[in-house]
Amino acid sequence: SQTIHQWPATLVQPVGSPLSLECTVEGTSNPNLYWYRQAAGRGLQLLFYSVGIGQISSEVPQNLSASRPQDRQFILSSKKLLLSDSGFYLCAWSPRPGTSHTDTQYFGPGTRLTVL
Amino acid sequence: GESVGLHLPTLSVQEGDNSIINCAYSNSASDYFIWYKQESGKGPQFIIDIRSNMDKRQGQRVTVLLNKTVKHLSLQIAATQPGDSAVYFCAEAWGSGGYQKVTFGTGTKLQVIP
Repeated sequence: SQTIHQWPATLVQPVGSPLSLECTVEGTSNPNLYWYRQAAGRGLQLLFYSVGIGQISSEVPQNLSASRPQDRQFILSSKKLLLSDSGFYLCAWSPRPGTSHTDTQYFGPGTRLTVL
Repeated sequence: GESVGLHLPTLSVQEGDNSIINCAYSNSASDYFIWYKQESGKGPQFIIDIRSNMDKRQGQRVTVLLNKTVKHLSLQIAATQPGDSAVYFCAEAWGSGGYQKVTFGTGTKLQVIP
């Protein structure tokens, strides 16, 4: 079965510090990978998605960047955090289209980031 | 944990009763719909999905109804239990090729009264 991991689970960082959140998926190959941010009481905002190693698409301009150095590894980064970067960050994966009967996105446990 | 339920519409249901959570979607081209359950401080959990060529799909204690005419989706939970308390949100998907576009609703908070 497939599993998705995120770490750290919680993080408190000062403004201006760098950020690196990691997401890994097990039990599948060539997944589509996604980074979302969720503000309290709001829906999910798609930040980045990736259809393959080194292939990153950004949905919104922001202070963040993403990388996919390996097939099942997705990293969210920032060089200098802003207060507005605080939130709940979720990684998700979905089967590559055509490889499964569903296109469902499956989410990781999330990382709660607080920027002070 | 993460307070994902802040400022969300809330549905309060007595334990044992049935719950109906509604969702209006926006894109008439959407061809795939998913319901997720999110407990406080956790990632969303897949519940059930439905494709646009169907109008009803049943799972264990859950049923999803799709009305494409009015672009409405509902999730019915039978015999609601305290463990069902969470935020529920729908997602609509469309597109083809290597990436399918997905939009998520903001959610409804379900409170089960023991």
